[in-house]
Parts: sequence; C-alpha cells; structure tokens
Amino acid sequence: GQNIDQPTEMTATEGAIVQINCTYQTSGFNGLFWYQQHAGEAPTFLSYNVLDGLEEKGRFSSFLSRSKGYSYLLLKELQMKDSASYLCAGMDSNYQLIWGAGTKLIIKP
Amino acid sequence: GAVVSQHPSWVICKSGTSVKIECRSLDFQATTMFWYRQFPKQSLMLMATSNEGSKATYEQGVEKDKFLINHASLTLSTLTVTSAHPEDSSFYICSAPEVERGESDTQYFGPGTRLTVL
Repeated sequence: GQNIDQPTEMTATEGAIVQINCTYQTSGFNGLFWYQQHAGEAPTFLSYNVLDGLEEKGRFSSFLSRSKGYSYLLLKELQMKDSASYLCAGMDSNYQLIWGAGTKLIIKP
Repeated sequence: GAVVSQHPSWVICKSGTSVKIECRSLDFQATTMFWYRQFPKQSLMLMATSNEGSKATYEQGVEKDKFLINHASLTLSTLTVTSAHPEDSSFYICSAPEVERGESDTQYFGPGTRLTVL
C-alpha cells in the first residue's frame, strides 16, 4: 500500500535548526511536496523535490533520496512564527497526493 | 488512521459541461470539509468551507454559483464545477478535520482530483 510517515510532534528552540523527516511508499513516484500549515489556514507550499539531492530556499531546505524513499525538511534560524504543522505529501504515478499526517513543530523561546 | 477519499481521480470534460467531485471521510464523521484548488507547485488555495446541513462558506473571489457545494451527509461533500471552462482546469483537493474530544482538530487531506477542461 501507499504510505507516508512523519513524526507527530517536534520541539525546537528559537534560533536553532530542526530537521523533519518523512519516509514514503508510493505506487510510482512523481515528486514529494512539503507544506506549512498554520492553524485555521490553508497549507502553504514550501518545496517540491523530484530528483535526489538538496534544494535550498532561504531558511528552508528540502532533501530527497528516491532510493531510500526518504525526504527531510530542514529549517534554520528558527523563528517563533515557524510554529506550525508541516505536511509531507508524495505524488504517485497517477498524480495523486498521498499525505502524511503532519508534524506539529513547537518553537520555544 | 483516518482517510479521506476523492472521486474521480481524473476527469476530462468538454467546455460548458458540469463536473461533480466527491469527497468522503471513510472512517470518521466530518461536519466540516474544506475545498482547495492547487496550481502546480503552489500553495493550496481555500475555495470554500462545506458545512453539513447548511450552506457552504465561500472565500472572497470564488463564485458560489459556479462552484456548487453540497454537504449531504456527515461523510460526504460534493463540489460541482458548473459550465466548466479551460481556466477551471486544476487540481482540486478536499480536507476534513477529525475532531477528537478534548484535542484539537487533525486535518486529513484527500488525494486530489485533476480536472482538465478541453
């Protein structure tokens, strides 16, 4: 079956770095998405990886290893506003999104 | 865990026709469901909030007469794109919160429906 696994909750300190891991099993693969979602708001697109490697975009970076079925989202210089849920979603061969349950990130001063 | 399904996965239709997309919560009841539209590599844009037993709440700029929403039961919401045009081609995603007693909502997202209007 198809599945996305990510931790339920993580806690980090303001100014620090945090890595949110995601492992996936999909029927075929057409890329992996990361979204940020604040409570009561729609998910905001953060990144899309379809090739192996690291993609950096400001304080956020996303990594993909297709052979390992693994991705991570790296957040640097954490700010209080980064407290949110982070959703990992894989796209299968039919271009359907398989969603993780989300990782709630709590930032402490 | 909770699962939200959508049907159909893909739909191709001619301009001027109407298309119905279903969103179902498979093992929990959802009094509220959300409908989003997504363009490639962009954020999900909230279109409307579907409320069981009452009218949907539409976001600013979304035509309620074009995007008809019906929340017929606690497990089913439908989005009908009426008189579809090529600019309506997009990826439509629904989500449903599972409300657990004493805890905050957990949002579950559907796999999406890809609509192509010719």
